[in-house]
Amino acid sequence: EAGVAQSPRYKIIEKRQSVAFWCNPISGHATLYWYQQILGQGPKLLIQFQNNGVVDDSQLPKDRFSAERLKGVDSTLKIQPAKLEDSAVYLCASSLGLGETQYFGPGTRLLVL
Amino acid sequence: SQQGEEDPQALSIQEGENATMNCSYKTSINNLQWYRQNSGRGLVHLILIRSNEREKHSGRLRVTLDTSKKSSSLLITASRAADTASYFCATARGGSNYKLTFGKGTLLTVNP
Repeated sequence: EAGVAQSPRYKIIEKRQSVAFWCNPISGHATLYWYQQILGQGPKLLIQFQNNGVVDDSQLPKDRFSAERLKGVDSTLKIQPAKLEDSAVYLCASSLGLGETQYFGPGTRLLVL
Repeated sequence: SQQGEEDPQALSIQEGENATMNCSYKTSINNLQWYRQNSGRGLVHLILIRSNEREKHSGRLRVTLDTSKKSSSLLITASRAADTASYFCATARGGSNYKLTFGKGTLLTVNP
């Protein structure tokens, strides 16, 4: 069974530039999550979708971050404009439904210079 | 904000020894989960214990939960070099807004 796919794996940008990350969840998983993991810390939930609807985005910095999940499958997370403090690993996860075991992708490591 | 706090922050042991990591949290939970993260396999779910359970086993893993003390422990028995990783506890509150809140993790190093 294919796992959660993410791209790119690495990205280096300058502050004030924009960047986008892509996630393809496990087939059949209704719930999709985006987490931010800063070095030395645990993952922090940014947004979670149930099919193509947002369940929780309370910790998403909406002035610069946006996410969408069109057709309830793939998802993209965008940062515009990026700040130095956005340097982190961005993890995508999916689960069959809310409350089910979450499966994580390999992450995208972002460095903002 | 991060609800779970793991203790210790780092732990170094010899292969074959047991490793114990603790997690404390602040609010009531639906369940508590432990995850492992290393560079090779990313973040992987290990075990889930529900708020009405006190102990759970999975292979060499043993998890306990004390809701009165708002704490949990993860015991890895007969550790192996491959167990070297960061271990995170994550708490889940129930209801329609179900979401996981991770702690900062314990870095476990198992020396061959």
